Amino acid sequence: QKEVEQNSGPLSVPEGAIASLNCTYSDRGSQSFFWYRQYSGKSPELIMSIYSNGDKEDGRFTAQLNKASQYVSLLIRDSQPSDSATYLCAVNRGFQKLVFGTGTRLLVSP
Amino acid sequence: DADVTQTPRNRITKTGKRIMLECSQTKGHDRMYWYRQDPGLGLRLIYYSFDVKDINKGEISDGYSVSRQAQAKFSLSLESAIPNQTALYFCATSDNLGLAGATYSTDTQYFGPGTRLTVL
Repeated sequence: QKEVEQNSGPLSVPEGAIASLNCTYSDRGSQSFFWYRQYSGKSPELIMSIYSNGDKEDGRFTAQLNKASQYVSLLIRDSQPSDSATYLCAVNRGFQKLVFGTGTRLLVSP
Repeated sequence: DADVTQTPRNRITKTGKRIMLECSQTKGHDRMYWYRQDPGLGLRLIYYSFDVKDINKGEISDGYSVSRQAQAKFSLSLESAIPNQTALYFCATSDNLGLAGATYSTDTQYFGPGTRLTVL
């Protein structure tokens, strides 16, 4: 079992729709969770971080964490074509050693 | 100017050659990291350093070495490059501020633009 699992996609949504990206992790001791966006050939860019159970909202983005289910998700409201990218889930195993999922590719069609 | 820079941005080399990838940062962060990214495997940690005197192996350190020349500089070397080291390499930095009162690390990592390395 991978430490951090994501569906590779692609996840296709029309412009204006809600995109829902999911991630599960195996280490119950994980405490901090991150979503990065990566455009093709570019470096990862932090979108959201979340540390407590529940929802955290920032603009069109909402991160959701459920530690009991070992599940973290990212919702993107009013999806735009510019949101088309690969979204990486990362989990902190301690001492800031991030473990990354392989990413979900999101395609937003006009 | 970018806060985290990597040189070179692209490199093609031959099997057996020694290669050095360099990373510099102007963010003033103590912590620096080297990752490689392969299709289908995601980002994997090669080495990390929490200060100039601290070097630690990541999950895939075999075949690599690093040098932390200063707070701002962290270099990755491939002593004898092999084709399966062909990948996209990223340097990252983080500070050690995190959330006040947190008992675990909440630091954000900031990535450089990457180096695309091809070993023939």
